Amino acid sequence: GAGVSQSPRYKVAKRGQDVALRCDPISGHVSLFWYQQALGQGPEFLTYFQNEAQLDKSGLPSDRFFAERPEGSVSTLKIQRTQQEDSAVYLCASSSEGRRDMNTEAFFGQGTRLTVV
Amino acid sequence: DAKTTQPTSMDCAEGRAANLPCNHSTISGNEYVYWYRQIHSQGPQYIIHGLKNNETNEMASLIITEDRKSSTLILPHATLRDTAVYYCIVRGGARFGNEKLTFGTGTRLTIIP
Repeated sequence: GAGVSQSPRYKVAKRGQDVALRCDPISGHVSLFWYQQALGQGPEFLTYFQNEAQLDKSGLPSDRFFAERPEGSVSTLKIQRTQQEDSAVYLCASSSEGRRDMNTEAFFGQGTRLTVV
Repeated sequence: DAKTTQPTSMDCAEGRAANLPCNHSTISGNEYVYWYRQIHSQGPQYIIHGLKNNETNEMASLIITEDRKSSTLILPHATLRDTAVYYCIVRGGARFGNEKLTFGTGTRLTIIP
């Protein structure tokens, strides 16, 4: 399909392990977002890219979290030395809206469920 | 960011109109009202957005009060598949350097057969 694709869908990591989560946005979408959703809570913003530029990383909870989008399309969220509190669903969203565009909608992927044991 | 207030939960009978309220009394002039929903184990799904005029699409209608301090999402003929958590969000948009969606706790809507 032409939607936002995330992989893997499920990831179990041992505490202290590094993980990498992948997001394939809708082709041509300039904006890309990462969110973290704990069980029973609404999604919490992590970081935002416009093309390859990371314009907002204010939501990243610690320096163990790192995101990149080197060619302005696929993005990777990396978590180093995972801890149990990192267990959550990680959602990626993309949008065609750039800073000169009128408001439009963001499309979300199915998410990656990370469980740290 | 302007905050929104929504009821924690609501029930609606199948086939009836579901009316979901949202208060956003501190909304600023350039902020739009967005509605998303999240069905269990899926990513949020866009429903509709508007600035000050009422909006309608194939999924729902959005009614925004004249003072823009509140709005109502209307699902005209609710089905069991509309059971989900519904989020009301205010957002200025990338033009104003306000790109992100700030989700609250939403309204858990249950459609009753």
